[in-house]
Amino acid sequence: SAVISQKPSRDICQRGTSLTIQCQVDSQVTMMFWYRQQPGQSLTLIATANQGSEATYESGFVIDKFPISRPNLTFSTLTVSNMSPEDSSIYLCSGYRGVEAFFGQGTRLTVV
Amino acid sequence: RKEVEQDPGPFNVPEGATVAFNCTYSNSASQSFFWYRQDCRKEPKLLMSVYSSGNEDGRFTAQLNRASQYISLLIRDSKLSDSATYLCVVSGGTSYGKLTFGQGTILTVHP
Repeated sequence: SAVISQKPSRDICQRGTSLTIQCQVDSQVTMMFWYRQQPGQSLTLIATANQGSEATYESGFVIDKFPISRPNLTFSTLTVSNMSPEDSSIYLCSGYRGVEAFFGQGTRLTVV
Repeated sequence: RKEVEQDPGPFNVPEGATVAFNCTYSNSASQSFFWYRQDCRKEPKLLMSVYSSGNEDGRFTAQLNRASQYISLLIRDSKLSDSATYLCVVSGGTSYGKLTFGQGTILTVHP
C-alpha cells in the first residue's frame, strides 16, 4: 500500500484562527478523503477531495468551514477555519487505491 | 440507527483466548467490507477484507452474511499485541470509495 505523510502531527491553536493540514502521498491515488475522529469516537467522513474541482462535502460539513484543495493526484490540504474548541479532534486524510484505504498519521488539533 | 453498529466492548481476554466481534450494517447496497485495526493514538490500518465466502489470515477469520447484513471477526490464540480497537468498515452502494466506520470494539489481551 502507499504511504501518506500528514502534517502537522499535532497543534494547539487559538480560537478564531485557522489551521491548514497537508497530506502528501508517495504515489498517485484515485481518491482522497478527509475524516474527523473526535475523542472516544470513530471516524466521520468530512469530504471527498476531488482533483481539480471542488470537494464533495458530507452532511454537516461545509466548504466555508473546511475548505479543501487537491491540486494533483498526490497532494491535498484541509483547512479548519475560524476554529472553536468544538473543532478539537483528530483529522485524518485517506488515500484509496483499489479496494484498500490507507491513512495519514493524523493531526491532533486542540483549540483553546 | 447508526449505519454500522458494533459492540464497543471493552473485551478483556487472557492470552490464548478466542474472541469474536460482531458488526451489523444498515445499507443493503453496501459492496465492500473490512476490518481495520487502530492502535492507541495511531491511524487505522487495514486488517483484512471480508468476503461472502469468508476469509482467513493466520489467527484471524472474517465472515460476511449479506442476508443478515452481519459481519464478524474471530481472533484465535490471542496475543498481547492484538490489544487495539477493531473497526468494522463498510463501503460502496452509491458512494464508491467512501468508508463508513463503526464505533470500534476495544480489545485488551492480558497475560
